[in-house]
Amino acid sequence: GAVVSQHPSWVICKSGTSVKIECRSLDFQATTMFWYRQFPKQSLMLMATSNEGSKATYEQGVEKDKFLINHASLTLSTLTVTSAHPEDSSFYICSARPETGTSGDLWNEQFFGPGTRLTVL
Amino acid sequence: GQQLNQSPQSMFIQEGEDVSMNCTSSSIFNTWLWYKQDPGEGPVLLIALYKAGELTSNGRLTAQFGITRKDSFLNISASIPSDVGIYFCAGQIGTYKYIFGTGTRLKVLA
Repeated sequence: GAVVSQHPSWVICKSGTSVKIECRSLDFQATTMFWYRQFPKQSLMLMATSNEGSKATYEQGVEKDKFLINHASLTLSTLTVTSAHPEDSSFYICSARPETGTSGDLWNEQFFGPGTRLTVL
Repeated sequence: GQQLNQSPQSMFIQEGEDVSMNCTSSSIFNTWLWYKQDPGEGPVLLIALYKAGELTSNGRLTAQFGITRKDSFLNISASIPSDVGIYFCAGQIGTYKYIFGTGTRLKVLA
C-alpha cells in the first residue's frame, strides 16, 4: 500500500514551452502533496506544499507563477513548469501524505513518487 | 533553503563491513527519518524516529534519534552490494514539512 506514481518519468522539451507533471496517490487519499526539486548530486529541496482544494504554499525563492500547482482531487496533484528554460532542468519528485484520520502509522508519513527527469533544451 | 548536514559525504566500504553515518542540525526536530535513494528514483523510507533517544532497527539497519533532538545516526551492519545508493536524513518541521540532509553516497566493494 501507499504507492505514489508520477507521469511522465522523463520529458525533454524546448526552451520556452510548458511542461505538466502529474503526481497520483494510487491506493490512498492524500490531504497534502509536496513537490521537491533535486539537482544532480544534491539533496531534495522542497518547492511547495499543496492541499486539496486550496492554493499551494511555495517555499521562499520559488516562483509561483512559473511553477503552477493544481491539487484538484485527493489523489492528483499537477506541477506545470511554465516557459521552461535550461536552468529548470532537474529531477522533480512529489510526495503525498495520507488523509488525516488514516489508521495506523501511515498518516504521519510522506510517500514519495519515482520522480520525473525534466531536460530543457 | 535550510538543510541538514550529513557526514560523511561519501564512502567506499568492503562488503561485510559495518557503516555509520550521521546527520546534524542547529534546529530541533520532532521526527527524524532516514531514506535511501537509488539513481533515477524517488527516496524510500528506511526508518522513522519519533522520540528523543529512540533507537529503532529495521533488519540490518539501526537508527537513533539524538537526545538533544538535533542529530541522528544510521548504522548498516554487514553491508552488501545492494546497499549502494544515497542515504538522506530528513527532519520534520511542524506537522508535516520535511527538511532533507545533504546526503551520504555509499559504495560497496564486493
